[in-house]
Amino acid sequence: NAGVMQNPRHLVRRRGQEARLRCSPMKGHSHVYWYRQLPEEGLKFMVYLQKENIIDESGMPKERFSAEFPKEGPSILRIQQVVRGDSAAYFCASSPGQLYTEAFFGQGTRLTVV
Amino acid sequence: AQSVTQLGSHVSVSEGALVLLRCNYSSSVPPYLFWYVQYPNQGLQLLLKYTTGATLVKGINGFEAEFKKSETSFHLTKPSAHMSDAAEYFCAVSEREAGTALIFGKGTTLSVSS
Repeated sequence: NAGVMQNPRHLVRRRGQEARLRCSPMKGHSHVYWYRQLPEEGLKFMVYLQKENIIDESGMPKERFSAEFPKEGPSILRIQQVVRGDSAAYFCASSPGQLYTEAFFGQGTRLTVV
Repeated sequence: AQSVTQLGSHVSVSEGALVLLRCNYSSSVPPYLFWYVQYPNQGLQLLLKYTTGATLVKGINGFEAEFKKSETSFHLTKPSAHMSDAAEYFCAVSEREAGTALIFGKGTTLSVSS
C-alpha cells in the first residue's frame, strides 16, 4: 500500500519559468492538502482540494499559484513565473474523508529557483 | 485564529536524558492536537495525536504527550533520548471541523549527544 507520492523530489527552475508539482494521494483517499515549508519555518497551509473541487484556498498566494485535483490523475500545484522567494519545500498530504482526523504526508518536492 | 507556539527552536540533550518539547496552542475550543517528526530531507511522520478521551497519549518510538486544557498545552516527552531521535519536531492543531487544515508550529530541532 503505497503512501502519498510526490514528484519530482527535487526541482530546479530559472526565474520566470513554470513549476509543476505532482501529488498522488494514498489509495482510497479523496482529500488532498498542499503545504509550503520555508527555511526555518513550519509548514503553512496553502490549499485543500477534493476530486475536481477546491474547497479552501485561503493559504494560496493570489497570483501565479494554482492547484487542481482532477477526476483522474494526481493533484497538481502549479507555480507560474517563479521567483527566488518561491524556493521552498512543498508537501502534499491526503486523507480518506472529511471527518478523518489524520493526514498522511508525502516526502515533499524541494523547489529551487535560480 | 488558531496559533501554535513551540518554545525553543533548538533543544539539546544527552543520550539517555529526558526529552521535553513544549507546545502551546490558542483556540477557543479544544482542537485536535498532533506531533509530527521530520528527518532531514524527508516528509512528516505522525508521532501521536489527541482527539478525544484519555489526555495522556502514547505514540511511536517511546514518545508521549499530555493534553492539558487548563494550560492549553500539549508537551511532548520521552524518558530516555536515543541518538536516532535527532530530528525536527512539529506540533500542529486543527479545528474540530470537517476538512480543516493543520496549523503548525515553527518546529523544534532536537539534538542528541553521546
